Amino acid sequence: AQSVAQPEDQVNVAEGNPLTVKCTYSVSGNPYLFWYVQYPNRGLQFLLKYITGDNLVKGSYGFEAEFNKSQTSFHLKKPSALVSDSALYFCAVRDIPDSSYKLIFGSGTRLLVRP
Amino acid sequence: DGGITQSPKYLFRKEGQNVTLSCEQNLNHDAMYWYRQDPGQGLRLIYYSQIVNDFQKGDIAEGYSVSREKKESFPLTVTSAQKNPTAFYLCASSIRSGVDEQFFGPGTRLTVL
Repeated sequence: AQSVAQPEDQVNVAEGNPLTVKCTYSVSGNPYLFWYVQYPNRGLQFLLKYITGDNLVKGSYGFEAEFNKSQTSFHLKKPSALVSDSALYFCAVRDIPDSSYKLIFGSGTRLLVRP
Repeated sequence: DGGITQSPKYLFRKEGQNVTLSCEQNLNHDAMYWYRQDPGQGLRLIYYSQIVNDFQKGDIAEGYSVSREKKESFPLTVTSAQKNPTAFYLCASSIRSGVDEQFFGPGTRLTVL
């Protein structure tokens, strides 16, 4: 069965420092991987996705993510964190053989960037 | 202005009442989805629809019902059979293809009094 794990409930980082939010996945075939961000009482906003090709994917607001097939990971990164990056981040996966277009979401990681 | 709208933003319900949450999109997307979000549990899929007049149960469909009579609209009814309906409900849509991301509405917070 498909699954996504975000092992950290919260990540704390100082403004200006690099940040990493971790995500690992389990699928039966090849995955499509997504990162979303959610601000309080709002819907999710799409950040980036990995479909195929280059393992390093660049997305919105300076975020990037690296697909690592051997480690089944898709960690979200940013070279220099901003206080405004503080939010809830979700990793999601779609198993390519699954034709329903459903996404499986992780439980979310709260990012707190302190000034 | 293209996007997904959900209404109302806040909804209060007495126990035993059915309520309907609205979701409308003008993105011309074929697929639409309803998720429930509870603290610390991420998003769980309630129902999804890949095309008009067709919908499928997700992981937690019990106590919920949907309809998809128009491409633009995918209303969710929370029935009195749903034992713990207090949650944040999110609607999403996507192009009917595997590579495309889902676009989310702003959500409806339902509270049962």
